[in-house]
Amino acid sequence: GAVVSQHPSRVICKSGTSVKIECRSLDFQATTMFWYRQFPKQSLMLMATSNEGSKATYEQGVEKDKFLINHASLTLSTLTVTSAHPEDSSFYICSARDRGGNEKLFFGSGTQLSVL
Amino acid sequence: KQEVTQIPAALSVPEGENLVLNCSFTDSAIYNLQWFRQDPGKGLTSLLLIQSSQREQTSGRLNASLDKSSGRSTLYIAASQPGDSATYLCAGLTDSWGKLQFGAGTQVVVTP
Repeated sequence: GAVVSQHPSRVICKSGTSVKIECRSLDFQATTMFWYRQFPKQSLMLMATSNEGSKATYEQGVEKDKFLINHASLTLSTLTVTSAHPEDSSFYICSARDRGGNEKLFFGSGTQLSVL
Repeated sequence: KQEVTQIPAALSVPEGENLVLNCSFTDSAIYNLQWFRQDPGKGLTSLLLIQSSQREQTSGRLNASLDKSSGRSTLYIAASQPGDSATYLCAGLTDSWGKLQFGAGTQVVVTP
């Protein structure tokens, strides 16, 4: 089946630093990728929709300048948390949709971000 | 805006019992509904996908139903096993691009 690789799986950083998370579709091309955030015991909340070659679409309440998304190719999207603060500590997970039109979405394994 | 609710939030059953997990959504205009499994600190594993035109899907011990008119979906897991312990999430596909609206999940514990 389709595989989405997400790295790193866990990152601990100091407050004020930036963290980049990568999401790769390994065996299919993804024109659209999604970034979610999940706080403990809460639902996944969509942060933004990433389209290859164009600007990401952010959900209401998500700061564009803080969560930078780049979708430079059909197999790679990155999320950069800039000037991270402890309240940004969360589980971040990406998903990708097969360009071939398969309605199933494939998820990465997630990144646990802890900001000290 | 689509809202997805899952009840109960947590469930504990002895091994061998059947599991019934409920999901309700406020907007019946969904493209499909999916059930996922999430293990602690891990990503999501897709279990079943029900198209809006379908009423149920089955895979092994899992069966999911969809009733758009009442805004409900139910996931049945037959003869539960300790390995079924996980959080189960339902999500409705709300647009053609792939935007999913998730419920908060039901945390399941199956005791040996």
